Amino acid sequence: AQSVTQLGSHVSVSEGALVLLRCNYSSSVPPYLFWYVQYPNQGLQLLLKYTSAATLVKGINGFEAEFKKSETSFHLTKPSAHMSDAAEYFCAVSDVAGNTPLVFGKGTRLSVIA
Amino acid sequence: NAGVTQTPKFQVLKTGQSMTLQCAQDMNHEYMSWYRQDPGMGLRLIHYSVGAGITDQGEVPNGYNVSRSTTEDFPLRLLSAAPSQTSVYFCAVRSYNEQFFGPGTRLTVL
Repeated sequence: AQSVTQLGSHVSVSEGALVLLRCNYSSSVPPYLFWYVQYPNQGLQLLLKYTSAATLVKGINGFEAEFKKSETSFHLTKPSAHMSDAAEYFCAVSDVAGNTPLVFGKGTRLSVIA
Repeated sequence: NAGVTQTPKFQVLKTGQSMTLQCAQDMNHEYMSWYRQDPGMGLRLIHYSVGAGITDQGEVPNGYNVSRSTTEDFPLRLLSAAPSQTSVYFCAVRSYNEQFFGPGTRLTVL
């Protein structure tokens, strides 16, 4: 069975500081990995995805994530936080064949302090 | 091209009432799912379908029924609503390497 663990239910950073949101996965087969963002009272928007190509994946709004098989990790980073980045972020895993639903972590709420 | 649509956006029910949450897609993908989102719990899978006539249970199926008669539609039924079903419900459509979400239905059960 696949699972995702997001370390830290709430992360707070200062505006302009590095954003690091942690995601570790468990999967018995090579995975696809995803990061979604949810702004207050809105739906889910895909930030970026790893689908077995380059291990460093660039997404929207300046975010990127690196797939590290040896560490079973897919941490999300952004060099400089902006107030508009305040949102909830979800990491998700699935198999590469597309035969299983995405399994989500519990989410990390990012606050950005002026 | 609407993508994934959900109705209603908001709903208030009394305990014991029944209702159907509607989900429709115009993306022509076979794979559809229903999730519920609760604070601190992330998104939990309720039911999913890999095509018309085929459905299966997810992590939290109790209290919910689904059926899939067409590729486009995947309704979620609450037969007898309970306060524990107060949540935000998302329908999703999966291509092989991406999943698209509807805007959600916020359900309150009193």
